[in-house]
Amino acid sequence: AQKITQTQPGMFVQEKEAVTLDCTYDTSDPSYGLFWYKQPSSGEMIFLIYQGSYDQQNATEGRYSLNFQKARKSANLVISASQLGDSAMYFCAMREDGGTDKLIFGTGTRLQVFP
Amino acid sequence: NAGVTQTPKFQVLKTGQSMTLQCAQDMNHEYMSWYRQDPGMGLRLIHYSVGAGITDQGEVPNGYNVSRSTTEDFPLRLLSAAPSQTSVYFCASSATLRDRGSGQFFGPGTRLTVL
Repeated sequence: AQKITQTQPGMFVQEKEAVTLDCTYDTSDPSYGLFWYKQPSSGEMIFLIYQGSYDQQNATEGRYSLNFQKARKSANLVISASQLGDSAMYFCAMREDGGTDKLIFGTGTRLQVFP
Repeated sequence: NAGVTQTPKFQVLKTGQSMTLQCAQDMNHEYMSWYRQDPGMGLRLIHYSVGAGITDQGEVPNGYNVSRSTTEDFPLRLLSAAPSQTSVYFCASSATLRDRGSGQFFGPGTRLTVL
């Protein structure tokens, strides 16, 4: 069965530093996608970055990059040069490419950026 | 484009009452879904639809009904509200599955309390 595990309930990082949020997954499907979403205190879900299981290179979107280690089934989010506005909940999610768009979410990591 | 809209933003129900959470998108997306978010549990899929006239159950479908008569609308019906359904509800949509890296677009959420 599909499963997403985020083992860090909370993380602290100083402004301008980099931070890594961990995500491991479990699936028997060879074709899948991995996503990261940000949820600020206002509550909306914001799509950050996507990695396909067959993508050869790690995905990057501005200050966000995804450290994809397929053999270890991990898809960690790296945020470089943290900003105060990065303080939020971060969710890792997985979609198996079986013809639907169902997402399975992890329990999230709360990131707090301090000055 | 308005994106994904949800109404109402807040709702308080008494046990046993029924209601419908509305969701609409104006992006001509094929795929729509409903999630609930409970503290410490991330988002869990309730029901989803891969196109007008097609719906299916997600991880936690009990106590909820959906229909998809048009591409734009995907209402979620609570048949007989229970305190266990107190949660934040998110509607999401995404484009054709061929565009796999686009992520799902989420509505702003509905905060439901059942007394």
